[in-house]
Amino acid sequence: DAKTTQPNSMESNEEEPVHLPCNHSTISGTDYIHWYRQLPSQGPEYVIHGLTSNVNNRMASLAIAEDRKSSTLILHRATLRDAAVYYCILRDFRDFGNEKLTFGTGTRLTIIP
Amino acid sequence: NAGVTQTPKFRVLKTGQSMTLLCAQDMNHEYMYWYRQDPGMGLRLIHYSVGEGTTAKGEVPDGYNVSRLKKQNFLLGLESAAPSQTSVYFCASSLDRENQPQHFGDGTRLSIL
Repeated sequence: DAKTTQPNSMESNEEEPVHLPCNHSTISGTDYIHWYRQLPSQGPEYVIHGLTSNVNNRMASLAIAEDRKSSTLILHRATLRDAAVYYCILRDFRDFGNEKLTFGTGTRLTIIP
Repeated sequence: NAGVTQTPKFRVLKTGQSMTLLCAQDMNHEYMYWYRQDPGMGLRLIHYSVGEGTTAKGEVPDGYNVSRLKKQNFLLGLESAAPSQTSVYFCASSLDRENQPQHFGDGTRLSIL
């Protein structure tokens, strides 16, 4: 499976945008980029996913590099509730019927009031 | 909506005891999963199921058994608990379509003494 690399931790001020990077230099053409986050003492929560084009939803935006070797999760206006561990995960759409998520150690995001 | 419910939330066992963790989902999802999370690590897949009556091994299946007798329930069993199985266990479910997000429960914290 293609792997992802994320910084161990990041800090951001409340009400400012946050850019969480993810490197996936060995990504294949059939890999989707998924982001999940895990708040303290909770299970992971789906945030967003994309293949080639940038994606937006109510929670965040996903910016994907043109060569797809990296991506950035963007939280437009961080709140204290966004403090969590953020996981960048690759899912091969050919694995349909053999579903699994391979979690790394993620990025621990701290929001400073 | 209840979503994914895990029972119990906490449990302490002695080495050699057996127990069953229950996962119930009310979203009519075909796919269900059991993960474990150890300190400082991401989640690792134990077993999963792509439909009622079917199960498959994940990344770390040894020491665990599962059953999916009803579509809404996925049971994880420890026949003879070992201290190495001390962990937080998460259940998840998803639709049986390509790239659908997984919905997680809040976890079961299990300690084996």
